[in-house]
Amino acid sequence: ETGVTQSPTHLIKTRGQQVTLRCSSQSGHNTVSWYQQALGQGPQFIFQYYREEENGRGNFPPRFSGLQFPNYSSELNVNALELDDSALYLCASSLGISGGPYEQYFGPGTRLTVT
Amino acid sequence: AQSVSQHNHHVILSEAASLELGCNYSYGGTVNLFWYVQYPGQHLQLLLKYFSGDPLVKGIKGFEAEFIKSKFSFNLRKPSVQWSDTAEYFCAVNARRSQGNLIFGKGTKLSVKP
Repeated sequence: ETGVTQSPTHLIKTRGQQVTLRCSSQSGHNTVSWYQQALGQGPQFIFQYYREEENGRGNFPPRFSGLQFPNYSSELNVNALELDDSALYLCASSLGISGGPYEQYFGPGTRLTVT
Repeated sequence: AQSVSQHNHHVILSEAASLELGCNYSYGGTVNLFWYVQYPGQHLQLLLKYFSGDPLVKGIKGFEAEFIKSKFSFNLRKPSVQWSDTAEYFCAVNARRSQGNLIFGKGTKLSVKP
């Protein structure tokens, strides 16, 4: 059974640029959630996708957007990058949406540095 | 708004000492509760979970947690820690039938001295 994978591992971007991060969910999982983890903090929920539809969004501006594909893989897009966007971006997949009896399985993350 | 508090930022123990990490949440409704662990250089892994039933939950590697509804708490325990338990531990909560929102605490870094 393949776990959650994310690409790329590391990324360096310049302020104002755009970035796309990718996530492949664990086999059989139809729900993907994205989190931002700043240094010394717990992960903060960005949004969740269930069967290609957004199912909940955290307190992040609209320049954070996402997609989920028919194979349940997902992308996180961030436009107009700011220095504060530097963080570890985590993807998690689950068998169903949060609130139900489903645990989330996390990928290794993408470390984004904005200069 | 929901929130999760982890009382200790950094805990230092010697091997064989007992461990208890505190976690309190603020939400009046029914919740799902989780503890995740992040070993150095590794990704977040699920340690244990509570959805319903017996409030004393056993997880991997000898860890357990007790859900006390009246105290809004879900403390993590281990009777005897090992050097290999050195890691960061995160408590997380989501409300039943919520929309996607898994709320994490800030984490507790555990250092176990050999």
